[in-house]
Amino acid sequence: EVNLVESGGGVVQPGGSLRLSCAASEFSFDRSWMTWVRQAPGKGLEWVANIKHDGSETYYVDSVRGRFIISRDNTQKSLYLQMNSLRVDDTAVYFCARVWSGLDLWGQGTTVTVSS
Amino acid sequence: DVHMTQSPSTLSASVGDRVTITCRANQSINTWLAWYQQKPGKAPKLLIYKASNLESGVPSRFRGSGSGTEFTLSISSLQPDDFGTYFCQQYNSYSYTFGPGTKVDMK
Repeated sequence: EVNLVESGGGVVQPGGSLRLSCAASEFSFDRSWMTWVRQAPGKGLEWVANIKHDGSETYYVDSVRGRFIISRDNTQKSLYLQMNSLRVDDTAVYFCARVWSGLDLWGQGTTVTVSS
Repeated sequence: DVHMTQSPSTLSASVGDRVTITCRANQSINTWLAWYQQKPGKAPKLLIYKASNLESGVPSRFRGSGSGTEFTLSISSLQPDDFGTYFCQQYNSYSYTFGPGTKVDMK
């Protein structure tokens, strides 16, 4: 089955770090741009970061640039989001998604809560 | 940066109604626009890509149109499964932006 499965969410104190993972199945992961999108409780969707199929290009929303790092391991068919210097307003469900024309395949999401 | 707006923010409708949602960009994005439906507690689902192309498996009652800065999503005859929140998203550049969403609920 073609799918994406996120993991790594949890509760962390402000200033802490967390690494999210996204495992891909049954599609050509190494040919796909990938993205992270988040959704704060009761709010809309916010794009977080993109990565090119070979990892050579990355793009970030201004609010996370310099704190978050998107990366991938095509041999493991995995996408990552290293989140450092976490803030309370980073609290959200984080989704990974495949970029095709639009975001055509989504994971189920993993919850990150930043709280003291 | 490209900023997206949607109207209305909430729409109350009945089964069988025709529904139209508008999405606007603050600069031209050609037709690099997608529409998503989201149900509570679930991931978004792609409905329309490149402004007017129906994603595989999406019912034909959904229709997207527009180019440049103004876009619409129409549902020709609202069905019970169509209630939820709809988001537009631009992908004209490598930095994406979502609209704030339109919640479609039962009148």
